[in-house]
Amino acid sequence: DTAVSQTPKYLVTQMGNDKSIKCEQNLGHDTMYWYKQDSKKFLKIMFSYNNKELIINETVPNRFSPKSPDKAHLNLHINSLELGDSAVYFCASSPGQFYGYTFGSGTRLTVV
Amino acid sequence: DAKTTQPPSMDCAEGRAANLPCNHSTISGNEYVYWYRQIHSQGPQYIIHGLKNNETNEMASLIITEDRKSSTLILPHATLRDTAVYYCIVSLRNNDMRFGAGTRLTVKP
Repeated sequence: DTAVSQTPKYLVTQMGNDKSIKCEQNLGHDTMYWYKQDSKKFLKIMFSYNNKELIINETVPNRFSPKSPDKAHLNLHINSLELGDSAVYFCASSPGQFYGYTFGSGTRLTVV
Repeated sequence: DAKTTQPPSMDCAEGRAANLPCNHSTISGNEYVYWYRQIHSQGPQYIIHGLKNNETNEMASLIITEDRKSSTLILPHATLRDTAVYYCIVSLRNNDMRFGAGTRLTVKP
């Protein structure tokens, strides 16, 4: 069983479209995260949710909206996609303070 | 703000110990040191973390200097599968893990 699963693995879409990336964890962790890794390979935190409550919201365009229907899911919805949104998006989870994160395998988003 | 400094790249011979250094001279008293690695576009993988004492698990050992201003991740017997980018992160709690550029470790046969 995959601990943190993301779907889809690959996503190619046109500029201006709206798309969602789903993330589910079966580890019973309380906190979930979204990271973006751009072409230069820098990993940047975007959002953090703890028990469905937003904890961290970095300087991310408001076209990006995380949604946490329950503790096990944190989805990322992106409106009006732009070329610069092309990146690999990673979901992660952790059980709480002082523990490491478990990352998903990533979603490679390509905006054309 | 870069809280940690790591060499951009290192090589290691297969079967030898890989020692990856990290400087974190501005670390505060209650910040932890975390290590992750990312193998070629996979999701990052947690390795180990520590506060003051040295730590060891099945993957690696973490040596933290007494003044806590630097640390070393040790992979005791590096294999080709350990080739990856290794990230050293300092964090007050784990809910704000910020990755830097890391060290690209290449294990050579």
